Amino acid sequence: DVKVTQSSRYLVKRTGEKVFLECVQDMDHENMFWYRQDPGLGLRLIYFSYDVKMKEKGDIPEGYSVSREKKERFSLILESASTNQTSMYLCAARDNYEQYFGPGTRLTVT
Amino acid sequence: DQQVKQNSPSLSVQEGRISILNCDYTNSMFDYFLWYKKYPAEGPTFLISISSIKDKNEDGRFTVFLNKSAKHLSLHIVPSQPGDSAVYFCAASGPPRTTSGTYKYIFGTGTRLKVLA
Repeated sequence: DVKVTQSSRYLVKRTGEKVFLECVQDMDHENMFWYRQDPGLGLRLIYFSYDVKMKEKGDIPEGYSVSREKKERFSLILESASTNQTSMYLCAARDNYEQYFGPGTRLTVT
Repeated sequence: DQQVKQNSPSLSVQEGRISILNCDYTNSMFDYFLWYKKYPAEGPTFLISISSIKDKNEDGRFTVFLNKSAKHLSLHIVPSQPGDSAVYFCAASGPPRTTSGTYKYIFGTGTRLKVLA
């Protein structure tokens, strides 16, 4: 089974801070994804990457950027955190059809 | 525009009975569907999937049914167990591809299932 790990389970940051969320997969999957999960809204795609240094915007990219310098690592960056970015952030890696998720990072912006 | 809808935010079922979770979609081009289960403070885990060339797929206590004409899929859990209590997300995939050629998975809003002992 693919293992996807995320650097922090819980994070508290202040408004205006730059925030880095890290995700690492232990298989050679080309596609990696960042989602946020909010009550009543389900999982919404922020950004994804289909190869090293290659990225594409998802459905809600505003306020976020990403970085993929190595195949196994995909980072989500909040350039200037705001309170409406308080959410559960989920990273995923995909092998053909099956998509494997990390445990999530609960980010609170105060 | 919610392309994948789970209209029941919650469902309670007695242990041993059948749980039926429903999902509707609007894009007739979707050709692959998945169900994920999510416990609190954990990431979603893959449960079962179905391709549009089938109308049923079974895996143990879990069966997914696909009705393409109605653009509807359902997940049946028989018998339901207290450990099945979780949030269930359906997801759909298919054309159009993104610029990079990837298919996005579109997730529903989730249904919280509570199995009562």
